[in-house]
Order: sequence, then structure tokens, then C-alpha cells
Amino acid sequence: QTVVTQEPSFSVSPGGTVTLTCGLSSGSVSTTDNAVWCQQTPGQAPRTLIYGTNVRSSGVPDRFSGSILGNKAALTITGAQADDESDYYCLLNMRSGIWVFGGGTKLTVL
Amino acid sequence: EVQLVESGGGLVQPGGSLTLSCVASGFTFSNFWMHWVRQAPGKGLEWVANINQDGSQKKYVDSVKGRVTISRDNAKNSLYLQMDSLRADDTAIYYCMRLTGGDWGHGALVTVSS
Repeated sequence: QTVVTQEPSFSVSPGGTVTLTCGLSSGSVSTTDNAVWCQQTPGQAPRTLIYGTNVRSSGVPDRFSGSILGNKAALTITGAQADDESDYYCLLNMRSGIWVFGGGTKLTVL
Repeated sequence: EVQLVESGGGLVQPGGSLTLSCVASGFTFSNFWMHWVRQAPGKGLEWVANINQDGSQKKYVDSVKGRVTISRDNAKNSLYLQMDSLRADDTAIYYCMRLTGGDWGHGALVTVSS
């Protein structure tokens, strides 16, 4: 069974740039996997930042961007702010038609 | 403004059944695939199921196959998740989600316990 992999944790300085990645335990991520990136703060419903690999949801600042880097999907946050401190989940569309979340990355801004 | 509002959560005994509903507004519901996602207490997000625009295609995560049925009523702008043979590990907040557009409901808590 293919597992979606994410860094368990990451830290970034305020104003800095960070790239979170989303890979597969076997194989490469491509645009056909339609990567989705969600942000969640404790006690809140998730919020989708990016879908379709690189499409920003309405109202999402342009400092959040999605891409494919090498064999992984990537979420880049440029000019990190304190309220970006959250859990970030990626979601991929498997060939079978089901979707699978990664385990999430806990981002610390300090 | 897009809104997704779930209802139907609650406490149910192991082996019991529950049906969640999600009413959509602010977009043409019948044009979009819809998804259910859940989150167990203290855990990450888990994709549960999805359904295409006319309800003819449905997919499920392996852990719920045979116990859960996703459906929709486009005339009522509503999405459903019928859950049978519930187990303790089905305890979670269940979210309705429109992937294209990135919209989520506030979630419905399902607790399976005796």
C-alpha cells in the first residue's frame, strides 16, 4: 500500500521561506496526482490552501504556492508569519481513484 | 459565499448506525465531486469517501468499505454518509469537503462508545 510522506516537523524564522514536501513511498508525485495542501490550527476545521497542485483557494495569500519539485509535491511559504504556525497536510489522488492524506507537517515559526 | 453545513453527529453504540448530512450553498452543487474526510481525536486527517456529480461513481478508503455509503441528492444540495456497524475507531470529526474550490464544513462529531 502506497504511503504519502511528509516531514513530521519543520521550523522557519519570521519573514523566512520554507518548502514543505509531499512524496510517495513508491513512485513519484506528478501533476496528475492533483496535490492538495491544507492548513489546520488546533481546534479548527482544515482550510485548503492549494488544490490541483498549484491553484490557490479563494482568499489565500500569494505567499503560499504549490509546485512539483523533483518527484514530490511542494508547498512553499514565502515571508512566513507567526500565524502560519499550523499543521499542514497534503492530499494526493491515487491511480485507483481514492485519495490519501500524508501524516502532516507541524510548522513552527520562531 | 460557499457554505457546507454538516449535521447528524452524536453518540452511538458499537455496532450501531448513523447518517451524516451536509447541506451545501453558494455554488452549483450538482457540478462538483464531493468528499468526506474525518479526523480522530489527536490524529491527522483521513480521506473517507467521495462521489461524482451524478452519484454514479463512489470511492471509499479500505477501512470503511462495506460499512459506509456515500450518497447525494442534488435537488436538495445535500451530501450524505450512512455509517453502519460502527466501531470505536470510527470516532472522529467528520468533514464535508468540496475539493475543487477548497471548501470545508465545520465538522460533525461522531462518538462510538458503549
